[in-house]
Amino acid sequence: GESVGLHLPTLSVQEGDNSIINCAYSNSASDYFIWYKQESGKGPQFIIDIRSNMDKRQGQRVTVLLNKTVKHLSLQIAATQPGDSAVYFCADVNYGGATNKLIFGTGTLLAVQP
Amino acid sequence: DAGVIQSPRHEVTEMGQEVTLRCKPISGHNSLFWYRQTMMRGLELLIYFNNNVPIDDSGMPEDRFSAKMPNASFSTLKIQPSEPRDSAVYFCASSLYRGGDTQYFGPGTRLTVL
Repeated sequence: GESVGLHLPTLSVQEGDNSIINCAYSNSASDYFIWYKQESGKGPQFIIDIRSNMDKRQGQRVTVLLNKTVKHLSLQIAATQPGDSAVYFCADVNYGGATNKLIFGTGTLLAVQP
Repeated sequence: DAGVIQSPRHEVTEMGQEVTLRCKPISGHNSLFWYRQTMMRGLELLIYFNNNVPIDDSGMPEDRFSAKMPNASFSTLKIQPSEPRDSAVYFCASSLYRGGDTQYFGPGTRLTVL
């Protein structure tokens, strides 16, 4: 029979353009948020994090924005390069919750066109 | 610094055989996680340990799966007997203190059960 896999949202950008990857989370009590990058054949790699008392944090070529009002997290990548092609996951945690563990999203595939 | 180390990187076995996956967390990290990643279900947390004690094993699919952490520098995930539907990439991750901290992933073990 035909197998059905996860349908990853895909963002296709031109090399040199800026990329914005979005993530919606469900727990309004989440305290901490992380973005991971997973390249083909590798494990997820930490990119940047942000705590709930912040709304913006910048790294090298990456910026994370947090909008707690609408429970939305975004990752902005400046001057996207071919090496940025990967699946990007957001994750969040509520330290006061029962599970106290990271909850991962399903991921977004970023495809950088040369 | 060495990251999370997993072995083997690839494993091909026949249905019914026992499979043991191994993980060495980052030195000094107190929490260790086992994940499974498939196209069908994405990244799933199977079990996590804190200070060598299993804290949450709600993601372990069935009794065929077992995990141990005999000391702070070593963990195993065992599948006995293995089935074709267990084919996936299995990741080990570690974090400094607890389940909600930034997790650092190993390179994964790609398991194929024929």
